[in-house]
Amino acid sequence: DAGVIQSPRHEVTEMGQEVTLRCKPISGHDYLFWYRQTMMRGLELLIYFNNNVPIDDSGMPEDRFSAKMPNASFSTLKIQPSEPRDSAVYFCASSLDSPYNEQFFGPGTRLTVL
Amino acid sequence: KQEVTQIPAALSVPEGENLVLNCSFTDSAIYNLQWFRQDPGKGLTSLLLIQSSQREQTSGRLNASLDKSSGRSTLYIAASQPGDSATYLCAVRRVINTGANSKLTFGKGITLSVRP
Repeated sequence: DAGVIQSPRHEVTEMGQEVTLRCKPISGHDYLFWYRQTMMRGLELLIYFNNNVPIDDSGMPEDRFSAKMPNASFSTLKIQPSEPRDSAVYFCASSLDSPYNEQFFGPGTRLTVL
Repeated sequence: KQEVTQIPAALSVPEGENLVLNCSFTDSAIYNLQWFRQDPGKGLTSLLLIQSSQREQTSGRLNASLDKSSGRSTLYIAASQPGDSATYLCAVRRVINTGANSKLTFGKGITLSVRP
């Protein structure tokens, strides 16, 4: 298996632009997680899905952030409009059967908002 | 609110040294604890997962221990090698009640440098 796949790996955009991050979880995994990593706050869970349904989005910072999972093999995290403080590394992770199981992380998308 | 602390933030040791990385958490009602490794510019790789009922887990040169009552975990690395240089993060998952989330709370990590 190729592991969790994220695209793009790097994104540079200007303030106010829409940004879409993509994730393909490991095949057969039922849970998908979106995290954000910054120097100040470390790793934070933004939202997670079970069988394509959002379970907990309490970590989503504000309405500018939205996430979807239209099918079992694809998820997006969208920021509209983007702001410089959104600059961070965004990770996607997936796990099998249970959110308590080991989570497998993708390589991350480094987002820079100018 | 669960808080996870890893001190020091950075550590430099000579090759061959045995070392211990510390992790502390404020709420002992955890479901499990996981240690991760993160290489620069890369994602996280899971190293060890300890369930709350366990005291330790071992994988190769790595040994992780858990003391729930004192809110501590340690990651022991034997005979360190330059290839062990990375950032090591611990994360705890709280006890789950029906309808609650299963959020992993991460420490900020310890950046380890093993000098040849």
